[in-house]
Amino acid sequence: QKEVEQNSGPLSVPEGAIASLNCTYSDRGSQSFFWYRQYSGKSPELIMFIYSNGDKEDGRFTAQLNKASQYVSLLIRDSQPSDSATYLCAVNGNSGNTPLVFGKGTRLSVIA
Amino acid sequence: DAGVTQSPTHLIKTRGQQVTLRCSPKSGHDTVSWYQQALGQGPQFIFQYYEEEERQRGNFPDRFSGHQFPNYSSELNVNALLLGDSALYLCASSLGPGTGGDTQYFGPGTRLTVL
Repeated sequence: QKEVEQNSGPLSVPEGAIASLNCTYSDRGSQSFFWYRQYSGKSPELIMFIYSNGDKEDGRFTAQLNKASQYVSLLIRDSQPSDSATYLCAVNGNSGNTPLVFGKGTRLSVIA
Repeated sequence: DAGVTQSPTHLIKTRGQQVTLRCSPKSGHDTVSWYQQALGQGPQFIFQYYEEEERQRGNFPDRFSGHQFPNYSSELNVNALLLGDSALYLCASSLGPGTGGDTQYFGPGTRLTVL
């Protein structure tokens, strides 16, 4: 059973701070890793994807992957109240276009 | 560039009824995956369609079935609805296998309520 684990939160950070969201996965053969943002009542919106060990930066967002530890994280710099949402970690299997396995999501609250 | 579209937005049904949900993939995409998201949970994979065939299936009963049309759009059918089928149903589109494009983009979802 492939599993993706996330702390459900809520994670509360002050405006302007760095928010750190973490995710672990069970399938060592996983190849692709995604972070989605989901506002209440809306569908998931892709923020970032990462395939290789290390860091990948896009604007205020940085994804970090450590395959040896089976760990992926998302850092949000200069957090804004508009970043308040549930962040879903998703992992793809060990061949192309396999189904995404999602964590339950971490709820982030950015306090103004 | 048209994104993923789904219809209807909301649907209310009673137990035992049947429902059909529709999805059109993002322009240029040929693969459609369906997910069920219960309240407070992450999306759960139902099945995936590519080249008009069901390619992969998650742990869902046969009451859940689907179809993909030549224009890549897709339908999800659920028969004999149960209260537990109440959820947000998400369609995601992507490029086909072997293209290296496994990133999935989600539509707005269909909120199904079973009474």
